[in-house]
Amino acid sequence: KAGVTQTPRYLIKTRGQQVTLSCSPISGHRSVSWYQQTPGQGLQFLFEYFSETQRNKGNFPGRFSGRQFSNSRSEMNVSTLELGDSALYLCASSPAQGGETQYFGPGTRLLVL
Amino acid sequence: QKEVEQNSGPLSVPEGAIASLNCTYSDRVSQSFFWYRQYSGKSPELIMSIYSNGDKEDGRFTAQLNKASQYVSLLIRDSQPSDSATYLCAVSLSNSGYALNFGKGTSLLVTP
Repeated sequence: KAGVTQTPRYLIKTRGQQVTLSCSPISGHRSVSWYQQTPGQGLQFLFEYFSETQRNKGNFPGRFSGRQFSNSRSEMNVSTLELGDSALYLCASSPAQGGETQYFGPGTRLLVL
Repeated sequence: QKEVEQNSGPLSVPEGAIASLNCTYSDRVSQSFFWYRQYSGKSPELIMSIYSNGDKEDGRFTAQLNKASQYVSLLIRDSQPSDSATYLCAVSLSNSGYALNFGKGTSLLVTP
């Protein structure tokens, strides 16, 4: 079974631009969560989607948004990029059928200049 | 603010020794606890999950949970150089869904 895939793997943007990251969960997994990882703050929860609905949300500004499609694939968008948005963005999927094991994708490394 | 605290390390142990990693959390209602391992440049991978007070063993790994003290630990027996990584403690943020609050991790170095 294929793992979680994320595209693109690397991205360079400039301040003020917007960016869209994509995540394809493991086949059959219905929950997708997004995390931001930086050296200073560590891994921080952004949001979780289940059946196309946002089920949980972390403490990030409204510039960070996401959505989930009917095939469980998810996208996250960051508008008006700031230098501090440079980070590794990780997507994790869960089967959502008992247990809470989350399987992480390889991440998208975003650099904002 | 719900906190998950870990000693950043590095924790250095000789090969074959027991490595002990600790984590404290602030949210008393948390029900689910996890240990992830992250190698440099890689994404986190789940090592153990624990939901009830006491010990849970899986191979060389033992997770310990004490909800009264709000404390979770991970013991790695017979440590190997390949265990050298950052170990992340995670606590569930919500009773519904899959949202985790991570500590900043403890760096473990196992020396041959």
